[in-house]
Amino acid sequence: KNEVEQSPQNLTAQEGEFITINCSYSVGISALHWLQQHPGGGIVSLFMLSSGKKKHGRLIATINIQEKHSSLHITASHPRDSAVYICAVWGETSGSRLTFGEGTQLTVNP
Amino acid sequence: DGGITQSPKYLFRKEGQNVTLSCEQNLNHDAMYWYRQDPGQGLRLIYYSQIVNDFQKGDIAEGYSVSREKKESFPLTVTSAQKNPTAFYLCASSMGRNIQYFGAGTRLSVL
Repeated sequence: KNEVEQSPQNLTAQEGEFITINCSYSVGISALHWLQQHPGGGIVSLFMLSSGKKKHGRLIATINIQEKHSSLHITASHPRDSAVYICAVWGETSGSRLTFGEGTQLTVNP
Repeated sequence: DGGITQSPKYLFRKEGQNVTLSCEQNLNHDAMYWYRQDPGQGLRLIYYSQIVNDFQKGDIAEGYSVSREKKESFPLTVTSAQKNPTAFYLCASSMGRNIQYFGAGTRLSVL
């Protein structure tokens, strides 16, 4: 079993829909990353959070440390949001290594 | 502009050949990383370095080598011992256990 599990693996939505991607982890962490990988392959960091909630534009990330769970929400989704969304954690015992989830492929249709 | 530059964008390797992928950062980050990504798969760690002249193996280091002679540079050599090198290679850097910044990647194929 992976230490970081994402669901769903694939998600198709219609433009304008509210989208939620989930990340569960089984280890103690100091922080959690949400990353976006564009169709061309480039990866950008969306959020790094260790508690509560962060918001940037139409993106919202939440984390519940006690439940070892994080969610990434996209409001008013748009076709340009189509990408792979990756959850990664800085484990308390993983030193300088991130532990990655397998990613969620999001497709938003017009 | 600050960032991570990977080159080349596309690379082709002949049988028995070693090839080197370049990664340069001007973010003044101490830590640098190399990841491999196969189609439809997640990121796997090849090597990482927390400080100049020091580096550690990741999960799939066999057939690869690295050096860290300068803070800004962390080149990856794919040796002839790597029998299945075709993949997308991503370099990243961070200041300690903080946000990781990624390069645009290099796609390596075998001729």
